[in-house]
Amino acid sequence: QQQVKQSPQSLIVQKGGISIINCAYENTAFDYFPWYQQFPGKGPALLIAIRPDVSEKKEGRFTISFNKSAKQFSLHIMDSQPGDSATYFCAASRRDSSYKLIFGSGTRLLVRP
Amino acid sequence: NAGVMQNPRHLVRRRGQEARLRCSPMKGHSHVYWYRQLPEEGLKFMVYLQKENIIDESGMPKERFSAEFPKEGPSILRIQQVVRGDSAAYFCASSPYPTGGNNSPLHFGNGTRLTVT
Repeated sequence: QQQVKQSPQSLIVQKGGISIINCAYENTAFDYFPWYQQFPGKGPALLIAIRPDVSEKKEGRFTISFNKSAKQFSLHIMDSQPGDSATYFCAASRRDSSYKLIFGSGTRLLVRP
Repeated sequence: NAGVMQNPRHLVRRRGQEARLRCSPMKGHSHVYWYRQLPEEGLKFMVYLQKENIIDESGMPKERFSAEFPKEGPSILRIQQVVRGDSAAYFCASSPYPTGGNNSPLHFGNGTRLTVT
C-alpha cells in the first residue's frame, strides 16, 4: 500500500523528442506527488509537484499529468535536451504520515544529441 | 543562502566501526529527513526529525542506527558496528515545514557515500 511503482527503468530519447515517465500508486491517502531529478554524485532536486485536486501542471518544458481514478501520474519532458539526461524519481507523501516521501525506483533518461 | 550541507562526502569504515554522518540544514529549516539510497535504487525513508525531537523513525533499523537533531549544531545519523550491507549513499533533506505542507519543497544535500570494507 505504501509503494510507488515507476516505469520504465531506463529511457533513450532523441534530442527534441518527448520523454514520458509513468508512476502508479495504491494508497489513496497520498496527497502530494513530486518529481525529482538527480545527476550522478548529486542529491535529488525538486522539478515539479502536483496535488490530487489538479489533473495537470506545467512548468516550462515539464508537465505532470495526474489521473486520480487510475491512481497514476506521469512526467512529460517536451523538447528533451542532452542536459536533461539524469535519473528521475517520482514520489508521494501523506499528510498523516509525517509527509515522508515514498520514492519510485527511478528512471534513467538518456537524451541523444 | 547555502544549501543543505552534508559531510563527509565519502566515508570508508571497516566492519564493526562506527559511522557518523552530519547534516546542516538550510538556514531557517527546522525539519530534517534522512534517506538511504542503494546503488541503482530509489531513496528509502529512514527518519524525520524536528529540532530536538524524533517525529518518525519508522524507516530506521531498530538496532545500530540512531539519529539526533540537537538545538544547536547539525543533525547526526550514527551507525554503530557497521556491516557491509550498510554501504550506501545517505541523503539528508530539509524544509521549513513538513514536506508537502504549505507547498514546502524538500531540499536535499549531495549525500554521504558510505563504504564498509
